[in-house]
Amino acid sequence: GENVEQHPSTLSVQEGDSAVIKCTYSDSASNYFPWYKQELGKRPQLIIDIRSNVGEKKDQRIAVTLNKTAKHFSLHITETQPEDSAVYFCAASNNAGNMLTFGGGTRLMVKP
Amino acid sequence: DAGITQSPRHKVTETGTPVTLRCHQTENHRYMYWYRQDPGHGLRLIHYSYGVKDTDKGEVSDGYSVSRSKTEDFLLTLESATSSQTSVYFCATYGTGQETQYFGPGTRLLVL
Repeated sequence: GENVEQHPSTLSVQEGDSAVIKCTYSDSASNYFPWYKQELGKRPQLIIDIRSNVGEKKDQRIAVTLNKTAKHFSLHITETQPEDSAVYFCAASNNAGNMLTFGGGTRLMVKP
Repeated sequence: DAGITQSPRHKVTETGTPVTLRCHQTENHRYMYWYRQDPGHGLRLIHYSYGVKDTDKGEVSDGYSVSRSKTEDFLLTLESATSSQTSVYFCATYGTGQETQYFGPGTRLLVL
């Protein structure tokens, strides 16, 4: 089955700096890669996703890049703000959002 | 949040007792999922359902059973709770018109 590795497990940045979280996957058939943000005590919520026919996708301060050859994808957050502090999960699927395999999560801390 | 509710939201129980968690959705989505979230392990799939009375095991199904007698309800049962089942349990749904899974608010379970 699919295996998703996520790094780093914790990340601390200064407000205004950029943050990058990386994930690798094992199943070359995976074609859908969502990212979720989970604030403390809350549910995971989708923030951005990318499909395998696209190399990069942006939404304001967040972007996701995908390298199918290397089987890795990354989340980029620019101009970080304290409200970006949360746990971020990557996931991979070979059938849209039907069956997702999640990475272990990254705790991002943005220091004011 | 895709009209997903979970009950109870918090529960404390003793080892050896049966526990049932309920997930209710109002979106008529075909797929429903139960995950557990533990530090360092991200979100792990326990069981999922692809229709009424149609269920299958996930990655960590031992000690859990599920039932889905109606489209809107998906029940997770711990037949005899153990301390290792102390966790936060999330329900999710996926259906037509959604790009990925959306999560319920979670149930925090403590087994003493």
